[in-house]
Amino acid sequence: GNSVTQMEGPVTLSEEAFLTINCTYTATGYPSLFWYVQYPGEGLQLLLKATKADDKGSNKGFEATYRKETTSFHLEKGSVQVSDSAVYFCAFIYGGSQGNLIFGKGTKLSVKP
Amino acid sequence: GAVVSQHPSWVICKSGTSVKIECRSLDFQATTMFWYRQFPKQSLMLMATSNEGSKATYEQGVEKDKFLINHASLTLSTLTVTSAHPEDSSFYICSATGGYYGYTFGSGTRLTVV
Repeated sequence: GNSVTQMEGPVTLSEEAFLTINCTYTATGYPSLFWYVQYPGEGLQLLLKATKADDKGSNKGFEATYRKETTSFHLEKGSVQVSDSAVYFCAFIYGGSQGNLIFGKGTKLSVKP
Repeated sequence: GAVVSQHPSWVICKSGTSVKIECRSLDFQATTMFWYRQFPKQSLMLMATSNEGSKATYEQGVEKDKFLINHASLTLSTLTVTSAHPEDSSFYICSATGGYYGYTFGSGTRLTVV
């Protein structure tokens, strides 16, 4: 069935370190892919998205490329900051742009000064 | 851009009482609203999907009599937790879609039942 698998956390990095959070999906058709971020005590915010193969979503220094051949959408950032500490969720939509949103389990990132 | 306002952001209630959580789309018409529940250190669990003017569709295992959802207008959906108990304590998040806008999430409501 449709599902998202993302690397388990928590991930702890030092400031300015390189970040990768892996995400792979299982879906029929051509889903749109998303990364959401949840800061402590808050709801979800859309971080970036990609709607077709080879698209690269980017925002706030984060990037992810829609890799259809590997069904992946790994999140990367070249130099993390303490303010990036949050939980990151990989997700995809099937059934059109307003269809069902399927979430991964989330990866908690802690960035130490 | 699209904004969804969720209120209250936190609430503490006594066991046995009911609590209402509101979710409003501020600048777009939300034809569909979703309610999620998030347990500590876990992902979001979809509870129900509601379309304006019709009954909500609940996910398997979610008690519809306990979690009452009303989507009476294109800008407002409410979730009422009836006869709340400590096990209902959780973080509840709404989301709305409509028109050109994909999923837009509210800021969440932390419910604590004592």
